[in-house]
Amino acid sequence: SAVISQKPSRDICQRGTSLTIQCQVDSQVTMMFWYRQQPGQSLTLIATANQGSEATYESGFVIDKFPISRPNLTFSTLTVSNMSPEDSSIYLCSVEGKDRDRWLSQYFGPGTRLLVL
Amino acid sequence: QKEVEQDPGPLSVPEGAIVSLNCTYSNSAFQYFMWYRQYSRKGPELLMYTYSSGNKEDGRFTAQVDKSSKYISLFIRDSQPSDSATYLCAMIRLENSGYALNFGKGTSLLVTP
Repeated sequence: SAVISQKPSRDICQRGTSLTIQCQVDSQVTMMFWYRQQPGQSLTLIATANQGSEATYESGFVIDKFPISRPNLTFSTLTVSNMSPEDSSIYLCSVEGKDRDRWLSQYFGPGTRLLVL
Repeated sequence: QKEVEQDPGPLSVPEGAIVSLNCTYSNSAFQYFMWYRQYSRKGPELLMYTYSSGNKEDGRFTAQVDKSSKYISLFIRDSQPSDSATYLCAMIRLENSGYALNFGKGTSLLVTP
């Protein structure tokens, strides 16, 4: 298994500002994922971050709004830019396990709870 | 129509009851069916997964898949207050470039002593 930590655990931000969320894993992983979990909505993939390459964004998410860094194999950041109240959500990072069927062993961080006023 | 539908609840049951949680899906390409449990202020953790139609049992938990009806269930026997959490179903279809993982909205379960 993988142990994942996120910082901050929660924050309250003003409209128009930006927040950078950090994700740290206790082992080296190739792929890291960023999800959004809005109230009453499904857990939704924002982007996939591979070390050494540009992040791949899902439909409806763009790099200008959610820039991602992946400087090494244990760390990633997600920035929520120019925030509006609609960005209030839980943001989670996750990694794949080392199993052969890697899609069956995703591990999630505890999440960052963001409230935008 | 969303690919995965799940009633968000909340569902409240007394301790010891049998709990039934369900999801329906529309895409017959889904191959793996999973259940995650998410405690308050925590990330989801994988509880069980199944690949084929039928039942899979793990302790007090039974996962059931009916591919002909596009319907999956999670049963919890002898429910405990510690089972109080949000349960998310998730489904995977494999693609040439990797895989796609789709989650339901999650069902909030409260088991009262």
